[in-house]
Amino acid sequence: DGGITQSPKYLFRKEGQNVTLSCEQNLNHDAMYWYRQDPGQGLRLIYYSQIVNDFQKGDIAEGYSVSREKKESFPLTVTSAQKNPTAFYLCASSPGISSPLHFGNGTRLTVT
Amino acid sequence: GEDVEQSLFLSVREGDSSVINCTYTDSSSTYLYWYKQEPGAGLQLLTYIFSNMDMKQDQRLTVLLNKKDKHLSLRIADTQTGDSAIYFCAVQGDDKIIFGKGTRLHILP
Repeated sequence: DGGITQSPKYLFRKEGQNVTLSCEQNLNHDAMYWYRQDPGQGLRLIYYSQIVNDFQKGDIAEGYSVSREKKESFPLTVTSAQKNPTAFYLCASSPGISSPLHFGNGTRLTVT
Repeated sequence: GEDVEQSLFLSVREGDSSVINCTYTDSSSTYLYWYKQEPGAGLQLLTYIFSNMDMKQDQRLTVLLNKKDKHLSLRIADTQTGDSAIYFCAVQGDDKIIFGKGTRLHILP
C-alpha cells in the first residue's frame, strides 16, 4: 500500500541536542512538506520541497533544517537553535504544488 | 496575507447534523479542502470542492461554497461517535495550502 511513513511516533531529547525526524513516501509524489502542530494553533509550515535537491522555507523555518536528496525522503532536523521544539510534527506529500496533501501519522517530539 | 478562520469547538448530539463553518480571505483560491484529524494521527482528506462549484455531496458529507462571502461549510448528516475529531478547513493559495486552526467536534450522547 502506498503512503507516508513518519518515524518514530514518539521522540524524546534533551535540550541542546539536535534531532532528526524521518519522513518517507512511496506515492511517487514530487512535493513534500513539514508542518508543526501546537494545541489551538493549527498547522504551521516549516519547510517544503517541490523537487529533489530543492526546498524552500515556510512560515517558521528558524531553528530547523531539511534535505531532499531522494524523491522518497524529506528528513527534518530540529536544531538546538529552535526555542520551543516540543510539538507534534507532520510530514505531507502531494503530486504537485497545487494538489491535495497526503499526511503521515506524525511524530511527537518532547524536549526536556 | 491569506487567512482561514473557523470556530474552535462544536458540540452536537449523536444523530443530529453537524455544520462546521470556515471563512477565508484569498479570493483566488482554486481548491478548498476539508481534512479530519483523529487523536494522535495525521490529517485525512475528507473532501474538496473546486472554486467554480457551489455544492458537493459525498454520502453523509455536504460541502457548500459561497464565493461572494468567502464562506465554506461542511455538513455531516446523522453524526456518529466516530465523527468525533478535529476538522480543518484549508484553501489552495498560489504556492501553498493555508489551513485554519481546526474545529474540534464533540459528540453528545
